[in-house]
Amino acid sequence: GESVGLHLPTLSVQEGDNSIINCAYSNSASDYFIWYKQESGKGPQFIIDIRSNMDKRQGQRVTVLLNKTVKHLSLQIAATQPGDSAVYFCAENPPTGANSKLTFGKGITLSVRP
Amino acid sequence: KAGVTQTPRYLIKTRGQQVTLSCSPISGHRSVSWYQQTPGQGLQFLFEYFSETQRNKGNFPGRFSGRQFSNSRSEMNVSTLELGDSALYLCASSSTSSGANVLTFGAGSRLTVL
Repeated sequence: GESVGLHLPTLSVQEGDNSIINCAYSNSASDYFIWYKQESGKGPQFIIDIRSNMDKRQGQRVTVLLNKTVKHLSLQIAATQPGDSAVYFCAENPPTGANSKLTFGKGITLSVRP
Repeated sequence: KAGVTQTPRYLIKTRGQQVTLSCSPISGHRSVSWYQQTPGQGLQFLFEYFSETQRNKGNFPGRFSGRQFSNSRSEMNVSTLELGDSALYLCASSSTSSGANVLTFGAGSRLTVL
């Protein structure tokens, strides 16, 4: 398959453990943040989002935490599974009025050990 | 319902040629945006179209252009190809261009310039 994650930092976790993927965003005025997952040969897939007026949001097995003070975003995955292996991107939506103009982070490769 | 469809999936061109990539959004989605993904620069916004009008544009040279048709299908064109244009070109659609919305990406068109 294609590799779009060359030279990306890698997080290796044991199957069943919890994973925490961190991201520093750049624009303090960004009002919307999204996590995407990209598997080999596929486009990015939406995982979870959070607005700037929240500091935590939970989904199914995933939690996103937002710390606006230090411009930090994290994605927590509970009970990590082999199918979670992918490249993870955080994205921010700067307040330009253009909701499709996302600024993506460089990405982190999550590798799940069986 | 069908997802975002991009064609072709893979193509090889030589320097100086031009290329046209096609994107069919999810039915009912009127906003289509394009991103370039490379190992070095990550995901970068190219442009967004809504109701046949370019609403937003990223920081790419004029060799990169696009258009949207009345059925919301979109094409992007790159003229006078350079080696550095080798990348995965991703199309994403969303249901609205205002308010927070989720981008749904296609699998991409992998362009190799020789």
